[in-house]
Amino acid sequence: GDSVTQMEGPVTLSEEAFLTINCTYTATGYPSLFWYVQYPGEGLQLLLKATKADDKGSNKGFEATYRKETTSFHLEKGSVQVSDSAVYFCALGPNYGGSQGNLIFGKGTKLSVKP
Amino acid sequence: DVKVTQSSRYLVKRTGEKVFLECVQDMDHENMFWYRQDPGLGLRLIYFSYDVKMKEKGDIPEGYSVSREKKERFSLILESASTNQTSMYLCASTPRSGANVLTFGAGSRLTVL
Repeated sequence: GDSVTQMEGPVTLSEEAFLTINCTYTATGYPSLFWYVQYPGEGLQLLLKATKADDKGSNKGFEATYRKETTSFHLEKGSVQVSDSAVYFCALGPNYGGSQGNLIFGKGTKLSVKP
Repeated sequence: DVKVTQSSRYLVKRTGEKVFLECVQDMDHENMFWYRQDPGLGLRLIYFSYDVKMKEKGDIPEGYSVSREKKERFSLILESASTNQTSMYLCASTPRSGANVLTFGAGSRLTVL
């Protein structure tokens, strides 16, 4: 079945460092791909998404490109801030209307950014 | 500000008790979901609903049931709580054509003693 594998954490970086969190997936068909973020004490919120191959999602300085040839959707940010400290989840979901919202999530990667 | 509200942020219950976790959304969304979140396991889908009085099992429905009597409310029920149900429970919703963009509640942390 469909699945998502993301790098295990925790990841600890200094402020202004470059961030990469790897995410690969296994899926039939052509899923949409997502990154969700969970700040301490809060629920998850959408960070960015891509709905087809070669799409790039971007938000708040974060980027991820949907690579079908490598089945990957790695999250990157050029210069992290302390406020980026959170847990990041990669997810995939069906790209058709019938099952909207029934996402498969990775296990999450905790990021800590030190000043 | 649209939102998903989970009525209880923290609950402590005893083994064998019946537990109700309530979730209300004010966005008129058709689809609602219950996930549990555990360290090292990520989010796992328990149940979901695409309409009033409809429910579908997710990946780990055992030991849980749900109720959706009104569009805005989706309740998760633990008929007889057990210690292995100690977890963070997250409710989410999305409109029928929502392109998989889920809006999550802040979570309910349940401890079963």
